[in-house]
Amino acid sequence: EVQLVESGGGLVKPGGSLRLSCAASGFTFSSYNMNWVRQAPGKGLEWVSSITNDNYIYYADSVKGRFTISRDNTKNSLYLQMNSLRAEDTAVYYCARSEGGFTFWGQGTPVTVSS
Amino acid sequence: TVVTQEPSFSVSPGGTVTLTCGLSSGSVSTTNYPTWYHQTPGQAPRTLIYSTSARSSGVPDRFSGSILGNKAALTITGAQADDESDYYCALHMGSGIWVFGGGTKLTVL
Repeated sequence: EVQLVESGGGLVKPGGSLRLSCAASGFTFSSYNMNWVRQAPGKGLEWVSSITNDNYIYYADSVKGRFTISRDNTKNSLYLQMNSLRAEDTAVYYCARSEGGFTFWGQGTPVTVSS
Repeated sequence: TVVTQEPSFSVSPGGTVTLTCGLSSGSVSTTNYPTWYHQTPGQAPRTLIYSTSARSSGVPDRFSGSILGNKAALTITGAQADDESDYYCALHMGSGIWVFGGGTKLTVL
């Protein structure tokens, strides 16, 4: 069974940092492109970042220079290092596997940026 | 570039509805890999359709994806009460960039 389990969310002050993790199981993690998508409270979905199976990396303009996506295929894990956090980064962050679109999602981890 | 969706739509039980996903400038094509998701409050999104028309595992064939004119389309036939949900599309804009539409709130009544 395919599973994606996010962790690492929480409350952080503006300007602070957090590292999100996504543990994958039930599929060959190294073969897939992986992504982070977020959803602010009461808002729609927003693509954040992608990393391909051969480590090409892409970011939304809203997080470029502040967030860093990475993966560890030996641990079947995806990460999102978030620095210089702002109030507008408050959202549920979802890990998603992609193949011609986001085809499988985790349950998400909430991030709140507030003083 | 903005991805456009109808803010809301309603359908009668047993009816057919087509939701669309367009671009503020230009036409949607298969090279945008249109993808459709639905989401109920408090839940994670679930993928319905990817790569324009491929149905995700476990999705009933009441859901179908296509290109209609210059937009991507999601058609739901035989609408059921539990189809009431928010529906989002996403388009690949090239250079690894994805953009979501603002979502359509579907009411079944």
